[in-house]
Amino acid sequence: NAGVTQTPKFQVLKTGQSMTLQCAQDMNHNSMYWYRQDPGMGLRLIYYSASEGTTDKGEVPNGYNVSRLNKREFSLRLESAAPSQTSVYFCASSYRSLGGADEKLFFGSGTQLSVL
Amino acid sequence: KQEVTQIPAALSVPEGENLVLNCSFTDSAIYNLQWFRQDPGKGLTSLLLIQSSQREQTSGRLNASLDKSSGRSTLYIAASQPGDSATYLCAVDNSGGSNYKLTFGKGTLLTVNP
Repeated sequence: NAGVTQTPKFQVLKTGQSMTLQCAQDMNHNSMYWYRQDPGMGLRLIYYSASEGTTDKGEVPNGYNVSRLNKREFSLRLESAAPSQTSVYFCASSYRSLGGADEKLFFGSGTQLSVL
Repeated sequence: KQEVTQIPAALSVPEGENLVLNCSFTDSAIYNLQWFRQDPGKGLTSLLLIQSSQREQTSGRLNASLDKSSGRSTLYIAASQPGDSATYLCAVDNSGGSNYKLTFGKGTLLTVNP
């Protein structure tokens, strides 16, 4: 049981380049999330998908796009990378009940992205 | 806006000590609260989840309590071990319907010395 798998683990981009971070979960969770973690800022939500076919903005969505490809996969795309997007990116998933509350949140191991 | 504060920011203890990590939050209308562990260069691992109707949860040497009315949670670690060294984060869930809102604290860096 792999849990939440993210690729790649490390990436270096030049300003203006684009890339897609991939995430897949094998726990049949309905909800998936993309966070970024920066020193002194903590974890901040970029985008989330409460269910297959839906996506919503989080706290810091500017400069990012997402695709919920199917129930298992949720990708994050940087169309034109900027140095301010240098960060560690985490994908997470959970089962959310109809009432709206999560069960335990499961995280991937992260992608360390540097934009030069 | 929900604000989550964790005190202390860092803690160093000798092996074998019992210790308490603190988490406070400003909006008590929460669904649940989770405690996570993060090892350097790794993702977060959920340790305990307390529903808003619960007062505490236990897993092995870990015990988490929740006092919604005062906006506080504590994570108690008994008989600490060097392997407990990590950053511990709490997160509170204020989601409602389709609106997702999970707010993380900045964590407490715990070092357990042999």
